[in-house]
Amino acid sequence: DAGVTQSPTHLIKTRGQQVTLRCSPKSGHDTVSWYQQALGQGPQFIFQYYEEEERQRGNFPDRFSGHQFPNYSSELNVNALLLGDSALYLCASSLYGISTYNEQFFGPGTRLTVL
Amino acid sequence: DQQVKQNSPSLSVQEGRISILNCDYTNSMFDYFLWYKKYPAEGPTFLISISSIKDKNEDGRFTVFLNKSAKHLSLHIVPSQPGDSAVYFCAATGTAKMNYGGATNKLIFGTGTLLAVQP
Repeated sequence: DAGVTQSPTHLIKTRGQQVTLRCSPKSGHDTVSWYQQALGQGPQFIFQYYEEEERQRGNFPDRFSGHQFPNYSSELNVNALLLGDSALYLCASSLYGISTYNEQFFGPGTRLTVL
Repeated sequence: DQQVKQNSPSLSVQEGRISILNCDYTNSMFDYFLWYKKYPAEGPTFLISISSIKDKNEDGRFTVFLNKSAKHLSLHIVPSQPGDSAVYFCAATGTAKMNYGGATNKLIFGTGTLLAVQP
């Protein structure tokens, strides 16, 4: 079992550009969540996808969007990049649950640097 | 608004001694708490969790204590080992059912505590 995988590992972009990050969930998982971890901070929830729909969203602007595919993999898109978007972007996968917490497994992250 | 706080950015402990990491929260809707461990260049890995119906959960060298009245939890590592050196994140969530029928898996993290265990 490969666990949660993310690509690319590192990425350098300039202000105003657009970026797409990718995530493959752990085998058997159907829910994907994305988090942003700025330097010196804890991960912050961006949004969560289940059944190819955005189910929950954190306090992030519309420049952040996502997608989930039928095979449960997911993409995070960020438009009009700002210097403040530089961070480690973490993907976490889990199983859909009803009124229970299902453990989230995190990928190694994608380090995005915006110049 | 920092709903989950870890007020100690770093902690240094001698090998074999106890490490105590602390976490405070403000949101009364949180009913499930977790500790994650993170090494550089890796994603966070789950360590131990506790439901709000309990006040203690133990797993080997790791014990988490929850004080709901004080909105405080702590992670005890006994005995501490050099391999425990990492950043530890406290996280919280509410397991109330969402409008789409599933439970939220949205985690609110603290800012982390860097634990250094000295040989």
